[in-house]
Amino acid sequence: QSVLTQPPSVSGAPGQRVTISCTGSSFNIGAGYDVNWYQQLPGTAPKVLIYGNTNRPSGVPDRFSGSKSGTSASLAITGLQAEDEADYYCQSYDSSLSGWVFGGGTKLTVL
Amino acid sequence: EVQLLESGGGLVQPGGSLRLSCAASGFTFGSYGMTWVRQAPGKGLEWVSIITYSGADTDYADSVKGRVTISRVNSENTLYLQMDSLRAEDTAVYYCAKNRGSGSWYNYYMDVWGKGTTVTVSS
Repeated sequence: QSVLTQPPSVSGAPGQRVTISCTGSSFNIGAGYDVNWYQQLPGTAPKVLIYGNTNRPSGVPDRFSGSKSGTSASLAITGLQAEDEADYYCQSYDSSLSGWVFGGGTKLTVL
Repeated sequence: EVQLLESGGGLVQPGGSLRLSCAASGFTFGSYGMTWVRQAPGKGLEWVSIITYSGADTDYADSVKGRVTISRVNSENTLYLQMDSLRAEDTAVYYCAKNRGSGSWYNYYMDVWGKGTTVTVSS
């Protein structure tokens, strides 16, 4: 059970917008630690999508965006494409655990 | 091209040891902190250990503390993870990742990942 809670799955049709939530506490997201998001395509290593809450690395399409408020963060994907089907993980630091933590992951299905 | 290549995984009996390696290329290895992350079969990502660019500071997840040692040899562009007293629950794909970020290491993120090496702990 991770201290960062994500929905196990989300789905959407091509072209639609989906959001993935990441709910934490005053020991992690609420403490001001950055939230980062990673995409893991089937059978591959994770890849950073969003860093520092809202920043996109070069090469990541602007269809992906991140936000943070209070003890939660969200990843939004607009103009959903079949290639977006993957597992998505949020990550932050937790002061009660004194370590870096990942959310449990969310499987995105493109219908 | 920035690359990380893990090696050293394999099948080991409970209580045994393994040393994982991560060979870095395409960037100034000695300027960046590094992290190990693992993923058990069918499960999510779990942070394992982190080391600063110089190797002066390290940290470990509670699940491996006392059994695992992270280290690096900057002159050889190589990161290591020495794993002792292995348990069945250590079975996972182990990824090394390059850290990036500004300010304190609490806000580091992993901007480059290797393909992973598989560790199986079983009798």
